[in-house]
Amino acid sequence: QSVLTQPPSASGTPGQRVTISCSGSSSNIGSNYVYWYQQLPGTAPKLLIYSNNQRPSGVPDRFSGSKSGTSGSLAISGLRSEDEADYYCAAWDDSLSGVFGGGTKLTVL
Amino acid sequence: QVQLQESGPGLVKPSQTLSLTCTVSGGSISSGSYYWSWIRQPAGKGLEWIGRIYTSGNTNYNPSLKSRVTISVDTSKNQFSLKLSSVTAADTAVYYCARASSSWYLWFDPWGQGTLVTVSS
Repeated sequence: QSVLTQPPSASGTPGQRVTISCSGSSSNIGSNYVYWYQQLPGTAPKLLIYSNNQRPSGVPDRFSGSKSGTSGSLAISGLRSEDEADYYCAAWDDSLSGVFGGGTKLTVL
Repeated sequence: QVQLQESGPGLVKPSQTLSLTCTVSGGSISSGSYYWSWIRQPAGKGLEWIGRIYTSGNTNYNPSLKSRVTISVDTSKNQFSLKLSSVTAADTAVYYCARASSSWYLWFDPWGQGTLVTVSS
């Protein structure tokens, strides 16, 4: 049981825009930043979004993040086949620990 | 370019202690302001933050694992380590070490390749 709640799956067709939600609480998302990671099979996760909506250098602007209250969301526009992966949200918790969502498997139809 | 590599036994018996080491290459573990972190992922499941150690030696642990976890650093060897005691099958997972920014606590980069630890008799 993960601390942050994500839908287990999402899907879209090439070119479409998809969003993935992440629900937390006042002690994590509500008072700290949201991060998003992409994990391809057999590899370590890669950071897509930090500080709710900031992209590290090299991450395409097709990926965007937002936060409202105790929830965050990741949007992927212009969906591509290579975006098929698992996506995880994360946030710092006031208990001085990191917490992750259970992950969302994105399928590009 | 900093690189991380996990090492340790791939098989641990139930009730014993899991011990892993992360070797840092391409830079000094003492330089900069970073948190050296451990994250794990059971097969087919999500990520779980285990804990972190700062270059000063200060640590933070996942509350659900705190009673069993110890993270330490050996600056002379440019390594940091994870010990997880009283393991059960539920501790079977791929264990990753990673470096985290002191400004962005969950900005992990780089990561190690991960090492599978199986708890079984």
